[in-house]
Amino acid sequence: SQQGEEDPQALSIQEGENATMNCSYKTSINNLQWYRQNSGRGLVHLILIRSNEREKHSGRLRVTLDTSKKSSSLLITASRAADTASYFCATLTGGFKTIFGAGTRLFVKA
Amino acid sequence: DTEVTQTPKHLVMGMTNKKSLKCEQHMGHRAMYWYKQKAKKPPELMFVYSYEKLSINESVPSRFSPECPNSSLLNLHLHALQPEDSALYLCASSHLVGTGGPSNEKLFFGSGTQLSVL
Repeated sequence: SQQGEEDPQALSIQEGENATMNCSYKTSINNLQWYRQNSGRGLVHLILIRSNEREKHSGRLRVTLDTSKKSSSLLITASRAADTASYFCATLTGGFKTIFGAGTRLFVKA
Repeated sequence: DTEVTQTPKHLVMGMTNKKSLKCEQHMGHRAMYWYKQKAKKPPELMFVYSYEKLSINESVPSRFSPECPNSSLLNLHLHALQPEDSALYLCASSHLVGTGGPSNEKLFFGSGTQLSVL
């Protein structure tokens, strides 16, 4: 079953622009993570934000978390063609289950 | 070594074949996972092993049979698959902390096996 819903489903931007992706989830969480997946490959962990944190930065990535709205956003600043990928939020829903949202497909045009 | 290695990368099999997918990690992780991913969809959890024991089976059909022979290896045995089972099969691993629950701090994924069932 799917825990998170993401929007937009697809996003096309020019190199240098910022990209914002949103994720909503249904149940209480301990943390929320974002992963990137290049076409047909494995997922790569990008960043983790805990339920008691509101914002976190890592390089060109900025993640926010609003537990009252059960939502998170991922901002990629100064995007590059190499950022073209699918981005998934993921939450731990008790026990061992890491459940992924529907994902946003990002296309950055050079 | 921070890699999860999956073999084979591609597999084509008939509905009467028996094949196995293999996954290996040497990061000392004691939780290992199988996910199934259809095109343009998110990964869906199939199985979780912790300390080499099956912890979660997400109601996966018996034609998929997981095996964890030791702390570094995870197999997925396939038998009598259907064409709709064609997908990318991803293996992942993570640390376990506390009272045996997964850290969920970070999942390390392999590159996957692209499976086609004819």
